Amino acid sequence: AQSVTQLGSHVSVSEGALVLLRCNYSSSVPPYLFWYVQYPNQGLQLLLKYTSAATLVKGINGFEAEFKKSETSFHLTKPSAHMSDAAEYFCAVSDQDNRLAFGKGNQVVVIP
Amino acid sequence: DTEVTQTPKHLVMGMTNKKSLKCEQHMGHRAMYWYKQKAKKPPELMFVYSYEKLSINESVPSRFSPECPNSSLLNLHLHALQPEDSALYLCASSQGGTGGLRNQPQHFGDGTRLSIL
Repeated sequence: AQSVTQLGSHVSVSEGALVLLRCNYSSSVPPYLFWYVQYPNQGLQLLLKYTSAATLVKGINGFEAEFKKSETSFHLTKPSAHMSDAAEYFCAVSDQDNRLAFGKGNQVVVIP
Repeated sequence: DTEVTQTPKHLVMGMTNKKSLKCEQHMGHRAMYWYKQKAKKPPELMFVYSYEKLSINESVPSRFSPECPNSSLLNLHLHALQPEDSALYLCASSQGGTGGLRNQPQHFGDGTRLSIL
């Protein structure tokens, strides 16, 4: 079965500093991986996806993620945090039935 | 603006009431999903419709009854809910049905926040 692991439920980052959210996956088939962001009182918005075309994936709002098969990782980064990046972030992997297995999420707090 | 529209945004109901949640998408997607999300937790899959047929039921209690009238609409009928059913209910859609197009992302609505009194 496919699964993802996100460590550290709360992540605090200073405004202007690097944002790094870690995601490790387990998959018996070539993985399709996604990062979603959820702002308060909203649904999930797709940040980016990995579908084997390129290992470095660029998404919306200045985020990017790098797929590393040797490390079974798909970490999300943004060079410079903005106050508007405060939100919940979920990593997910899709299974053979296109069901999403979500990680536990990271609550990002941006400190002015 | 989200491309998946859910109504109502908020719903308060008693344990004996019957209500319905609605979801609509016009992206031509052939798979539609219902999720339940508790505070500070990831979404939990409830049901999946693929080409308007129920393909996955994640052992959801019968007090939740899904319906897919056509390829653009998805309903969730609620009856005799319990206080622990209070949560954010999210609808999503994706281009592929179950078993295909795993690389197509799911698009989510903003959800219905349900409170059971």
